[in-house]
Amino acid sequence: NAGVTQTPKFQVLKTGQSMTLQCAQDMNHNSMYWYRQDPGMGLRLIYYSASEGTTDKGEVPNGYNVSRLNKREFSLRLESAAPSQTSVYFCASSEAIGTGVYGYTFGSGTRLTVV
Amino acid sequence: RKEVEQDPGPFNVPEGATVAFNCTYSNSASQSFFWYRQDCRKEPKLLMSVYSSGNEDGRFTAQLNRASQYISLLIRDSKLSDSATYLCAVNVNDYKLSFGAGTTVTVRA
Repeated sequence: NAGVTQTPKFQVLKTGQSMTLQCAQDMNHNSMYWYRQDPGMGLRLIYYSASEGTTDKGEVPNGYNVSRLNKREFSLRLESAAPSQTSVYFCASSEAIGTGVYGYTFGSGTRLTVV
Repeated sequence: RKEVEQDPGPFNVPEGATVAFNCTYSNSASQSFFWYRQDCRKEPKLLMSVYSSGNEDGRFTAQLNRASQYISLLIRDSKLSDSATYLCAVNVNDYKLSFGAGTTVTVRA
């Protein structure tokens, strides 16, 4: 099983450029998430989608937009990249968090540098 | 107060040693608890769920203390391959997990 697939793996942007990070999962999970991870800051939630057709802001949504295209795909868009958005971005999916049995499954990450 | 806090370490231990560390959480209503392992420049991977009664998976033991609102992870007979950052995660609601910043463990030969 592929699990959670993120593209691209690496990206360098110039300040002001836009780009979309793609994420797809093949586990039939209802919920999907976008996190960023910065040194010393841990994982911070940008946006999440509890189920197909819904999206909600996380801790650090400013400068980002998301689209839950269908049950499998959840994309993250940077409309006008800023150096502060240099980070590692992880997509994740989950099923039934509340049961305490199933956690998140993460993609392998996108390393984004904004210059 | 952060939702989830961890001692960042690093914990530097010799092979074969036992190492243990905790993670505190602020939401007394949380019901789901997890430990993740993250290798350098890799994604976090689920190590184990933490159940109320405590649970073991080989050399790893996880405990939950609801009264003091912390979970713990103990690694016995440490291997070089256990060197990693360990993240704890606690549910915020039925859909979201909040993560600690991680505890770094380095096992030396």
